[in-house]
Amino acid sequence: QKEVEQNSGPLSVPEGAIASLNCTYSDRGSQSFFWYRQYSGKSPELIMFIYSNGDKEDGRFTAQLNKASQYVSLLIRDSQPSDSATYLCAVGTSGGSYIPTFGRGTSLIVHP
Amino acid sequence: GAGVSQSPSNKVTEKGKDVELRCDPISGHTALYWYRQSLGQGLEFLIYFQGNSAPDKSGLPSDRFSAERTGGSVSTLTIQRTQQEDSAVYLCASSLVESYEQYFGPGTRLTVT
Repeated sequence: QKEVEQNSGPLSVPEGAIASLNCTYSDRGSQSFFWYRQYSGKSPELIMFIYSNGDKEDGRFTAQLNKASQYVSLLIRDSQPSDSATYLCAVGTSGGSYIPTFGRGTSLIVHP
Repeated sequence: GAGVSQSPSNKVTEKGKDVELRCDPISGHTALYWYRQSLGQGLEFLIYFQGNSAPDKSGLPSDRFSAERTGGSVSTLTIQRTQQEDSAVYLCASSLVESYEQYFGPGTRLTVT
């Protein structure tokens, strides 16, 4: 059974700090990795995806993938109170039905 | 361009009644997904459409739940004889063919009284 694990948090960081969100997955055949941001009362919003080992940067966000260790992380630099949300990790495998497996999310609180 | 739209945004119904939830995906997206999310819980996969066919219905929680998609576009999720445990936010997402990059609609909040 494919599993995606995230610490539920909350992860609390001060404004301006780096927030580090982690996700581990069980299926070694996983090939696609996604981070969604979900504000309270809103639907998930795709913010990052990564397919290859290493880092991928987009503005203040960096996704890191290590397939050997089966983890993917999201770093948010210069965290702002507006980054306070739940971050969902999603993982997909090739050759499947294109239904990603979602983690339960990590709640991030950025305090001024 | 326009994103995924869902209607209604809120629905309050009495236990035992049937409800229909609608999803209009992003134009050109052939894959469509339904999820539900209960308060404070993760996303629960319900059903996936590729075009008009549903290759995976494994997430439907009971035979009271059904879904259809017509014209490769709009989808309707129907819940018959609603129960209080059906209360949740029902989310629809769409993606291009053979892609995991899903784009979610705003959801329908269903409350069964």
